[in-house]
Amino acid sequence: NAGVTQTPKFQVLKTGQSMTLQCAQDMNHEYMSWYRQDPGMGLRLIHYSVGAGITDQGEVPNGYNVSRSTTEDFPLRLLSAAPSQTSVYFCATLARGAYNEQFFGPGTRLTVL
Amino acid sequence: AQTVTQSQPEMSVQEAETVTLSCTYDTSENNYYLFWYKQPPSRQMILVIRQEAYKQQNATENRFSVNFQKAAKSFSLKISDSQLGDTAMYFCAFMFMNRDDKIIFGKGTRLHILP
Repeated sequence: NAGVTQTPKFQVLKTGQSMTLQCAQDMNHEYMSWYRQDPGMGLRLIHYSVGAGITDQGEVPNGYNVSRSTTEDFPLRLLSAAPSQTSVYFCATLARGAYNEQFFGPGTRLTVL
Repeated sequence: AQTVTQSQPEMSVQEAETVTLSCTYDTSENNYYLFWYKQPPSRQMILVIRQEAYKQQNATENRFSVNFQKAAKSFSLKISDSQLGDTAMYFCAFMFMNRDDKIIFGKGTRLHILP
């Protein structure tokens, strides 16, 4: 049982490049989300999904795309990277029900030059 | 819109002392959850404690307890007998109970436990 996995752990991009941050879970949780963490800003929600085929915007969605074709995977796409997207990115799932606990991936540190 | 405010950006206490981290939130809803998460230098997010708004009794988990004041919209975390391993960022978070909606985090409090 791997929980929530994220790849890559570290990435350096040049301005204008595109890339996809991968997130996968094996807990069969319907709810998945992407956050970015910046110093002094806490965790800010980028996009979230309440199930396969359903996505919605969070607090800071600009510059990011998501899709949810399966329960297991929730990739985050940067179409044209900008230095303002330098951050640590976390993927999380939510176990709705008795415990309502979020499970976080280990994070991806992204630097855009 | 719901907001979560942590007014202490950084705190330091001596090992074995008790420390309280503050959190206030703003919502017009009546049913929700509140959480405290710990993020050590490893960057991993770890759930410390949760509180359901409909429960009057304050949640406790070993050395961690909360003071939940619903009317005042306050949700402070008390760490007793603090240990060096408690050094971390601590985030307060809010979530609606019956809605598929976002979880809102505060900006965090960086806690240093001094030997």
